[in-house]
Amino acid sequence: AQSVTQLDSQVPVFEEAPVELRCNYSSSVSVYLFWYVQYPNQGLQLLLKYLSGSTLVKGINGFEAEFNKSQTSFHLRKPSVHISDTAEYFCAVSSSGSSNTGKLIFGQGTTLQVKP
Amino acid sequence: DAGITQSPRYKITETGRQVTLMCHQTWSHSYMFWYRQDLGHGLRLIYYSAAADITDKGEVPDGYVVSRSKTENFPLTLESATRSQTSVYFCASRTSSALHFGNGTRLTVT
Repeated sequence: AQSVTQLDSQVPVFEEAPVELRCNYSSSVSVYLFWYVQYPNQGLQLLLKYLSGSTLVKGINGFEAEFNKSQTSFHLRKPSVHISDTAEYFCAVSSSGSSNTGKLIFGQGTTLQVKP
Repeated sequence: DAGITQSPRYKITETGRQVTLMCHQTWSHSYMFWYRQDLGHGLRLIYYSAAADITDKGEVPDGYVVSRSKTENFPLTLESATRSQTSVYFCASRTSSALHFGNGTRLTVT
């Protein structure tokens, strides 16, 4: 079985400050990892994904994440946040390999609150 | 425009009634998914489908029924709605490497 733990339910930060949203996962098989963002009253939008290759992954809106297999982590970072980054962020995992159905296991979500 | 369309966006129903949430995609993706979103739980998988006429249970399937007679449609039915099924429901389809989500249906069961 797989699981995802997002270590912070809320992260308040001032505009233009750096931010890190933490995500740990558990899996007995190789994984793909994802970060999604949800703005109010909208669906989830893919920020970035790790499938293979370089462990540092760059996504949209200036976000990046680093896959650390030994720490089973996939933390999301941004060097300078904007008010418009205020949203709910979800970390998710799926099994990799030929049997991959694509179904995602999600963490509980982290609310990023950017203050002026 | 191509994408996933969910309908209705908002629905209020009474306990015990049957309600169907619709999901339509224009990409012809094989895999489709239904998730529910509840505070403190993130998103939990209800059912998914690998192709027309192939469906399988997810983490929280009890009280729900799905069908997939056509590739582009994946309706979710609550046969006898309960208050615990008050939630936001998201449909998704799988691209080559990630899921693409609709805008959700907010369902309230009174």
